[in-house]
Amino acid sequence: SQQGEEDPQALSIQEGENATMNCSYKTSINNLQWYRQNSGRGLVHLILIRSNEREKHSGRLRVTLDTSKKSSSLLITASRAADTASYFCASEGSYQKVTFGIGTKLQVIP
Amino acid sequence: DVKVTQSSRYLVKRTGEKVFLECVQDMDHENMFWYRQDPGLGLRLIYFSYDVKMKEKGDIPEGYSVSREKKERFSLILESASTNQTSMYLCASSLFLGGLAGDSHYEQYFGPGTRLTVT
Repeated sequence: SQQGEEDPQALSIQEGENATMNCSYKTSINNLQWYRQNSGRGLVHLILIRSNEREKHSGRLRVTLDTSKKSSSLLITASRAADTASYFCASEGSYQKVTFGIGTKLQVIP
Repeated sequence: DVKVTQSSRYLVKRTGEKVFLECVQDMDHENMFWYRQDPGLGLRLIYFSYDVKMKEKGDIPEGYSVSREKKERFSLILESASTNQTSMYLCASSLFLGGLAGDSHYEQYFGPGTRLTVT
């Protein structure tokens, strides 16, 4: 399996619900980042969590990191239709090598 | 705001043609990257560059080459396009946010992508 795998690969929720996406990676990391991609567009950086952090918040986003399990989760609270997008985790390891996952496609139904 | 632009949003080329994809960033970033994105495979790194005239192979460099003659411009070249190179190509540049040891990181800024179809 690939480094930086997200699950689920697709998620459909109602507006107002919370959305949780998970990411696993294989090697040790310096930090882990989450990016968002609107349909057919480039990626936009959302949030970064360092390897010595366990949880980080930014607005409606909450990211956790468990280095013992080599996993991270992204929680979007009180989702909106505008949150519909694909979300990617990106793990940064040695020599600033960044590895992207395959992404979670989130659909928020109004 | 950082701006990364790519020369075309959509491109259709024939098998065997030489294809140039151009990427320009306006924030004086040292690092630039080319990825391809395919359904179920995510983003895969083709080539990257740490400085002018420097290039490093990524995970899938076969069939591609790059050129970085100026700091702001990073070109991806398909020497002889093939149908298996039909994909979305994303360019990115990154800012090194240095700090204390263990505190530095890179944040990548992406262009809008070029959807290339090779027929």
